[in-house]
Amino acid sequence: EDKVVQSPLSLVVHEGDTVTLNCSYEVTNFRSLLWYKQEKKAPTFLFMLTSSGIEKKSGRLSSILDKKELFSILNITATQTGDSAVYLCAVERTGNTPLVFGKGTRLSVIA
Amino acid sequence: DGGITQSPKYLFRKEGQNVTLSCEQNLNHDAMYWYRQDPGQGLRLIYYSQIVNDFQKGDIAEGYSVSREKKESFPLTVTSAQKNPTAFYLCASSIGDRVFGYTFGSGTRLTVV
Repeated sequence: EDKVVQSPLSLVVHEGDTVTLNCSYEVTNFRSLLWYKQEKKAPTFLFMLTSSGIEKKSGRLSSILDKKELFSILNITATQTGDSAVYLCAVERTGNTPLVFGKGTRLSVIA
Repeated sequence: DGGITQSPKYLFRKEGQNVTLSCEQNLNHDAMYWYRQDPGQGLRLIYYSQIVNDFQKGDIAEGYSVSREKKESFPLTVTSAQKNPTAFYLCASSIGDRVFGYTFGSGTRLTVV
């Protein structure tokens, strides 16, 4: 059975800290790995990763994929209270099948 | 503006009643999906449809039903057979062959009392 495991499930940090969120996966026919941020309602897209070792960056957020070890990390530097959200990791498979989501990491950033 | 609309945003129903959640998209996307989200559970797939008049069960389809009579619409009915229907329901759509960049609706929070 295909699965995506995120850790930790929840995390509380102070503003200015750097955090690393983890996502490991075991799926057949891997195509890409995606990260989403969910604040209140609709998840918003952050990154899509298809190749190992190539860092994707957007402001203070960055992510990288390791296809050999089957995991990805999402880094957030200099965290702000606006980073408080649930971060979802999902894996896309070939064959036009739905994304498989992890349980998410709930990040709380306190002032 | 193109997008995906879920309605209503909040829904209260008495136990034993069926209820239908609406999902409409004007993105011309082929595929549509329904997910359920509970605290600490991430998104779990209920049903999905890749083309009109066809749909497949997801991981937690029991107690739910769907239809896909039009490309734009993918309503979800929560039946009385669903044992624990109180949850947050998300609808999404995607271009058929690649699911990257799912477009999500804003969700419906269903509370059964």
